[in-house]
Amino acid sequence: GNSVTQMEGPVTLSEEAFLTINCTYTATGYPSLFWYVQYPGEGLQLLLKATKADDKGSNKGFEATYRKETTSFHLEKGSVQVSDSAVYFCALGVWSYNTDKLIFGTGTRLQVFP
Amino acid sequence: DTEVTQTPKHLVMGMTNKKSLKCEQHMGHRAMYWYKQKAKKPPELMFVYSYEKLSINESVPSRFSPECPNSSLLNLHLHALQPEDSALYLCASSQDRQGAMPYEQYFGPGTRLTVT
Repeated sequence: GNSVTQMEGPVTLSEEAFLTINCTYTATGYPSLFWYVQYPGEGLQLLLKATKADDKGSNKGFEATYRKETTSFHLEKGSVQVSDSAVYFCALGVWSYNTDKLIFGTGTRLQVFP
Repeated sequence: DTEVTQTPKHLVMGMTNKKSLKCEQHMGHRAMYWYKQKAKKPPELMFVYSYEKLSINESVPSRFSPECPNSSLLNLHLHALQPEDSALYLCASSQDRQGAMPYEQYFGPGTRLTVT
């Protein structure tokens, strides 16, 4: 079946620290991979995506590479800011019943302190 | 423009009330979604409309009734809800599928529903 596993949070960092949030997946076929971010009291925002193996998605200093050999899509950022504090969801895009579906991981809360 | 709008932003309703949530997008997307999100959990898919037809119902109780009047609008009609239905309700939309790659979904800000 299709599933996503994310590292447990919260992840607590000081400003300017390096961030890694691990995400691994199980999927059949050719899924796309996404990272979404949810700030307190808001909906989900697409952060970045990758549609095939070895693709690197990037946005706002965040990066993730679609690794088929390790079935991973880890999120990284070289220097986090307080404003990056949010919940990050890794998601698998699959085709099911003639419709695209997203399979979400459990989410990882990031807290960045000054 | 990648905006999905939802109204109302907050809703408090009693267990005997009937209310509706509204979602709108003007990106020309032909797939629209309803999700339910409880605190500290990922969104759970409820319904999917594709080309204005219901394509997925994830075994949602009949007290939730979706409607897609046209390709830009999606409604969720609520009736006789229970307190455990209190949650953030998110709407999303995505492009038509072309080829093998799933497209990303764009989410609205959500409606915070409280059932008393």
